[in-house]
Amino acid sequence: QVQLQESGPGLVKPSQTLSLTCTVSGGSISSGSYYWSWIRQPAGKGLEWIGHIYTNGSTNYNPSLKSRVTLSVDTSKNQFSLKLSSVTAADTAVYYCARRTVITIFGVLIKDAFDMWGQGTMVTVSS
Amino acid sequence: DIQMTQSPSSLSASVGDRVTITCQASQDISNYLNWYQQKPGKAPKLLIYDASNLETGVPSRFSGSGSGTDFTFTISSLQPEDIATYYCQQYDDLPSLTFGGGTKVEIK
Repeated sequence: QVQLQESGPGLVKPSQTLSLTCTVSGGSISSGSYYWSWIRQPAGKGLEWIGHIYTNGSTNYNPSLKSRVTLSVDTSKNQFSLKLSSVTAADTAVYYCARRTVITIFGVLIKDAFDMWGQGTMVTVSS
Repeated sequence: DIQMTQSPSSLSASVGDRVTITCQASQDISNYLNWYQQKPGKAPKLLIYDASNLETGVPSRFSGSGSGTDFTFTISSLQPEDIATYYCQQYDDLPSLTFGGGTKVEIK
């Protein structure tokens, strides 16, 4: 059973860089058609997709965050990471890592969904 | 960007009731829609993918339907453990992925 676990500082100062890592266990990060993703949720609010990375290193980011986000993957450690620069209080949220599974059969898209999630880690931006 | 509008934002129903949540997309997204359940303090859980397909292990009282711009999520018989917030999510506007605002379901 694949499991995801976020790790990183719970407190970041304004203007600094938020850095989180997601460790994947129970399976190889390199296997299958998976996009390794980050999603965040401010307290009492909805879900916001941040971006995802494929195991070949290709990335896609939310246009609203693109200028500040960098995702990377370390297949040797079965980990992927998020860096969000120039943070403000508006970046305070629970950050989730998630596996986005994409399945196509004979060119037909069968499934494209976040089917595995980490438990989430709270990050507060404050001086 | 495709906007996803869920309604209602919250509802209260009795155990055993049929509960229906709607999700409207700002443009045609075919059937590229998923539904998630999020219990308090927990990560979201995938329930329905591709608008109407039940994820493995999810109880059959949950179902989804719709295509184009209008989608429906139904709990056929509300159970106490279904107390949660439910989110729709589109994947038509790739690479951007967006969620609806959520519907909080409570027991009356």
